[in-house]
Amino acid sequence: DQQVKQNSPSLSVQEGRISILNCDYTNSMFDYFLWYKKYPAEGPTFLISISSIKDKNEDGRFTVFLNKSAKHLSLHIVPSQPGDSAVYFCAASGGTYNNNDMRFGAGTRLTVKP
Amino acid sequence: DAGITQSPRHKVTETGTPVTLRCHQTENHRYMYWYRQDPGHGLRLIHYSYGVKDTDKGEVSDGYSVSRSKTEDFLLTLESATSSQTSVYFCAISESGQNSEAFFGQGTRLTVV
Repeated sequence: DQQVKQNSPSLSVQEGRISILNCDYTNSMFDYFLWYKKYPAEGPTFLISISSIKDKNEDGRFTVFLNKSAKHLSLHIVPSQPGDSAVYFCAASGGTYNNNDMRFGAGTRLTVKP
Repeated sequence: DAGITQSPRHKVTETGTPVTLRCHQTENHRYMYWYRQDPGHGLRLIHYSYGVKDTDKGEVSDGYSVSRSKTEDFLLTLESATSSQTSVYFCAISESGQNSEAFFGQGTRLTVV
């Protein structure tokens, strides 16, 4: 069962515009959410996280929004840059008795066009 | 960059043979994880360790075993490789568990023929 879903396999935006990547989850017990970025032939790298006690977390050009009632989170990148082109994974944890069981979405490939 | 090294980086093996992947860290982090990445599935947790000799199963543990005899090393073993285990395997480390940032290795591409 896919408890974390990224329904858009790909997204293309123009440089300088906003990129919005979406993620939905089904397990209401999840209490910590993360976004990772992955370039080809490299491991994922941590981007930003948010605890369920917050609804927004910002770090430079990156902002994550959490809507617990809708079980939805989104990553906003403003302004988008060509170097942001990568696959973005949403992840969630805390859904079982053991909070080490982190679940990832299938990823969204972002392409930022110059 | 976090000191985490996976070996080998690429491997081709035959069905039915045993395979061991190694993850080595120099960060002295308590938690270590093995994930596999497959198209359409993202990253799925295979096994993890929360200390020396302390391991537990993840989401897709069938067909895999792990061992951690030292803080710095976490081994993933496929006792008898199958074609369904063809994947990219990532090791990750974390200082305080999953509700915190994890650092990933560069991955091992395993092909079972």
